[in-house]
Amino acid sequence: GQQVMQIPQYQHVQEGEDFTTYCNSSTTLSNIQWYKQRPGGHPVFLIQLVKSGEVKKQKRLTFQFGEAKKNSSLHITATQTTDVGTYFCAGKASGTYKYIFGTGTRLKVLA
Amino acid sequence: SAVISQKPSRDICQRGTSLTIQCQVDSQVTMMFWYRQQPGQSLTLIATANQGSEATYESGFVIDKFPISRPNLTFSTLTVSNMSPEDSSIYLCSVDGSTGLEQYFGPGTRLTVT
Repeated sequence: GQQVMQIPQYQHVQEGEDFTTYCNSSTTLSNIQWYKQRPGGHPVFLIQLVKSGEVKKQKRLTFQFGEAKKNSSLHITATQTTDVGTYFCAGKASGTYKYIFGTGTRLKVLA
Repeated sequence: SAVISQKPSRDICQRGTSLTIQCQVDSQVTMMFWYRQQPGQSLTLIATANQGSEATYESGFVIDKFPISRPNLTFSTLTVSNMSPEDSSIYLCSVDGSTGLEQYFGPGTRLTVT
């Protein structure tokens, strides 16, 4: 079945450093979503990417969807302590209605 | 956006018993999803619940263990039956947003089975 992997599993950064998490799907995706889950919280939707090669920005966050629509990345510039949490990608394969969540990347930001 | 509530927020249960988790949405939605998230892990889809039809279960999850009801377009329940310690997890319901571009999650039910 479809699998979605993320690397790294964990990342500790100093405040102000950049951070990137990578998401790789075993199958071609129709679209991909990104979520942030704070410790003790529930996943909160960040963005959806649909087009091959699409790049979207939200303030310090940059999201990319690969040309082959099998991978994606989230880059955070100049991390802040408020960025702490686990970032999940979730991919939907063509012809399906459900999203498969990636393994997640847990980010810790050291002040 | 959709506002989702879940009850209970947490529970500690004895093995062999069952717990029913409720999910209430503030707007009508076609599909509701139930996920399980074990400590420190990702989200695993248990089943999709459509109003007026049987839920669709993912591989590894069966109706006898996780019966689901969907009596109307704003409400669903998930029962965890004959619980064992391996069922200790956070159970989350979610719905698609009105634009279909996002999912909204409930706050989750933290279940501990002793």
